[in-house]
Amino acid sequence: SQTIHQWPATLVQPVGSPLSLECTVEGTSNPNLYWYRQAAGRGLQLLFYSVGIGQISSEVPQNLSASRPQDRQFILSSKKLLLSDSGFYLCAGQRLSYNEQFFGPGTRLTVL
Amino acid sequence: AQSVTQPDIHITVSEGASLELRCNYSYGATPYLFWYVQSPGQGLQLLLKYFSGDTLVQGIKGFEAEFKRSQSSFNLRKPSVHWSDAAEYFCAVTSGAGSYQLTFGKGTKLSVIP
Repeated sequence: SQTIHQWPATLVQPVGSPLSLECTVEGTSNPNLYWYRQAAGRGLQLLFYSVGIGQISSEVPQNLSASRPQDRQFILSSKKLLLSDSGFYLCAGQRLSYNEQFFGPGTRLTVL
Repeated sequence: AQSVTQPDIHITVSEGASLELRCNYSYGATPYLFWYVQSPGQGLQLLLKYFSGDTLVQGIKGFEAEFKRSQSSFNLRKPSVHWSDAAEYFCAVTSGAGSYQLTFGKGTKLSVIP
């Protein structure tokens, strides 16, 4: 079965500091990978997706960026965090030719 | 563009009572439909999915959902709710095989009274 690992589980960062959230996948090769942000009462917002190493598509222009340096690694970054970057960040994967996505446990980011 | 509406933001039911969570979608062709569950502070877990065939699909944890094309609905049901079912439930739709876009509803929070 496929598993998504995310770390850290929680993070408190000051405004203006950098960010790096990591996501790794087990149990499948060449997955599609996704970063979502979840705000209370607003559902899941797709931030980035990747269909392969070095291939990133951005869904929402913002203060964040993503990279995929290896097949099973997906990183969400920011050079300078804003208060509005606070939220619950979820990484998800999707096996080739399948439609459902499987999710990691998430990272709770608080920007102060 | 595809969209998903979950009309109920919050539902409270007594333990042992039946449950129905509503989901309506907007999509031109036959959609691929999903229900996910999220416990507080956790990721999402897939409960069930519908791609084609029998319109009543069974999932994990005793849940089922029925696809009704005429009503553009995919409601989630459970005959008898357990306290451990308290969580947030998300309906989602995608357009077809290999699609990258999974559109989520805003979720329904379920509270269970002992």
